[in-house]
Amino acid sequence: EAQVTQNPRYLITVTGKKLTVTCSQNMNHEYMSWYRQDPGLGLRQIYYSMNVEVTDKGDVPEGYKVSRKEKRNFPLILESPSPNQTSLYFCASSYRGGITYEQYFGPGTRLTVT
Amino acid sequence: GESVGLHLPTLSVQEGDNSIINCAYSNSASDYFIWYKQESGKGPQFIIDIRSNMDKRQGQRVTVLLNKTVKHLSLQIAATQPGDSAVYFCAENSLVPFSGGYNKLIFGAGTRLAVHP
Repeated sequence: EAQVTQNPRYLITVTGKKLTVTCSQNMNHEYMSWYRQDPGLGLRQIYYSMNVEVTDKGDVPEGYKVSRKEKRNFPLILESPSPNQTSLYFCASSYRGGITYEQYFGPGTRLTVT
Repeated sequence: GESVGLHLPTLSVQEGDNSIINCAYSNSASDYFIWYKQESGKGPQFIIDIRSNMDKRQGQRVTVLLNKTVKHLSLQIAATQPGDSAVYFCAENSLVPFSGGYNKLIFGAGTRLAVHP
């Protein structure tokens, strides 16, 4: 089954404790993105990747890091989480070169930073 | 600046009625638009898309209308069912400058559709 998976689905942590949210897709997509979703603000892009070892900042990159060492994986790293990073996070992937820009989303990771 | 917004944050309808969810966009250069459905506890799911060279596109029970003159997009759901209850997002593409051709999606804030029996 074609899908995007994320782990963990739920995470409660404390300020300053480094964490990683993993994302994996099995559709051989070149493009991958991370979004955060906050009430009333919709989905905002954190980082995106156009291919292995090619990443760039989205609209809200502060406080986040990403890496793309393999095509299927795109982990999101919070080196020193803060309470304002409490949010719902989504990973997405899409095919490069298609006629549409449809993105396929994972199930989400709800992060709480206390 | 670029923005995609929605007129109604919450829409309540009776089961069997038709639903219309509206969206305004500001970037006249956008040439592709998507509607996503997000059910509770899940990620957004693709419903239907439309390119800017079209005014209307129909799917199964859903129709998207695009009015480029007033930069307005709408999603019509026929014979709304309880399973249609969700948050609906419109999104438009935006070419990221100096990115080598990457198009990001800009999402609206979302409209919650509540279907009552």
